[in-house]
Amino acid sequence: EPEVTQTPSHQVTQMGQEVILRCVPISNHLYFYWYRQILGQKVEFLVSFYNNEISEKSEIFDDQFSVERPDGSNFTLKIRSTKLEDSAMYFCASSVRFPTNEKLFFGSGTQLSVL
Amino acid sequence: SQKIEQNSEALNIQEGKTATLTCNYTNYSPAYLQWYRQDPGRGPVFLLLIRENEKEKRKERLKVTFDTTLKQSLFHITASQPADSATYLCALPSGSARQLTFGSGTQLTVLP
Repeated sequence: EPEVTQTPSHQVTQMGQEVILRCVPISNHLYFYWYRQILGQKVEFLVSFYNNEISEKSEIFDDQFSVERPDGSNFTLKIRSTKLEDSAMYFCASSVRFPTNEKLFFGSGTQLSVL
Repeated sequence: SQKIEQNSEALNIQEGKTATLTCNYTNYSPAYLQWYRQDPGRGPVFLLLIRENEKEKRKERLKVTFDTTLKQSLFHITASQPADSATYLCALPSGSARQLTFGSGTQLTVLP
């Protein structure tokens, strides 16, 4: 079964550093998402992306965050200047269509630790 | 914005029994509702989707109900097994339907 792949599985960085989290969505999917989950808390929506532009973003997704689809297969999340509170598991997801009657396929996540 | 409440953070049941998990929402009734399973350190995995005009949906040992009057969905696992132990999340679309909002989940433990 096709799957969403994320790299790296773990990322440790110093506060203030830039990080790029990478994702390869399922090949025929058109909609891409980033969610995050702080340890012990709920899965939170960050951003959705379609047709090379952001469709919707949450309050969490401030100017420190950006997303990009640099080529036909990768989807990246960049955090420009990491803060301690950015430490979380970041999940990439994709779907054929927007989640209107449509399930999301999630990757296994990147555990980001900001020291 | 939609507020989602899932019953008790943790639920322990004996193997072979039926587990029943609850998802309540507070605002508008969504066009559909989804249930996901999440294992520790892993991403959520889709289980079932039920639409507002469907009262019940089944898949193998799983059953979901959707009551728009009560603003509630129930998720049942019959003949539960230790392998069913996981956190179960309900998810609803936002008002724009461009994102899914997840509940905090119910951690189910099936005891052998």
